[in-house]
Amino acid sequence: QKEVEQDPGPLSVPEGAIVSLNCTYSNSAFQYFMWYRQYSRKGPELLMYTYSSGNKEDGRFTAQVDKSSKYISLFIRDSQPSDSATYLCAMSDASGTYKYIFGTGTRLKVLA
Amino acid sequence: DAGITQSPRHKVTETGTPVTLRCHQTENHRYMYWYRQDPGHGLRLIHYSYGVKDTDKGEVSDGYSVSRSKTEDFLLTLESATSSQTSVYFCAISGSGSVTYEQYFGPGTRLTVT
Repeated sequence: QKEVEQDPGPLSVPEGAIVSLNCTYSNSAFQYFMWYRQYSRKGPELLMYTYSSGNKEDGRFTAQVDKSSKYISLFIRDSQPSDSATYLCAMSDASGTYKYIFGTGTRLKVLA
Repeated sequence: DAGITQSPRHKVTETGTPVTLRCHQTENHRYMYWYRQDPGHGLRLIHYSYGVKDTDKGEVSDGYSVSRSKTEDFLLTLESATSSQTSVYFCAISGSGSVTYEQYFGPGTRLTVT
């Protein structure tokens, strides 16, 4: 079993829909959680980052962390065709090395 | 790309030849990382550095070595390239300012070993 699990998709939604992307993990020591967006043949772009539990909102994006369930989510409101990309989650413990374990990514398609 | 450049951006090489990839940052970040990205595996850490001349192994370090002689440069060397090292290689940086755990990626190097 991988430390971080992420559904590869593809996930297809109509423009304007609310998108929910999720990752589960097994290591209870994870404290830092990231979400990246990656367009084809580009480097990952940091979208959201959170420390420990709770919610964080930035524009159309909301990141949630539920440490009791070892589950993190990224919500995208009013999705746009430009949101079509692969979304990666990443997690690290608090050892101070910031060595992240990545999910394999979920491919999202937003249809116009 | 947060002040990170990688060179070369594309490279085709033959099995058994040495290859060096370069990562250069202008952000003065303390930590630098090399990852490879392969279908079905996602991003996997090869090596990382927590300061000049301070490096450590990641998850998939066999066949790779690194060096960091200056804060801004982190080199990844494939001593004798194999076809299994065909991949996209990404450099990342973190560790600056009040939020040290954010990690930013470079544009990637696409390496093909024939």
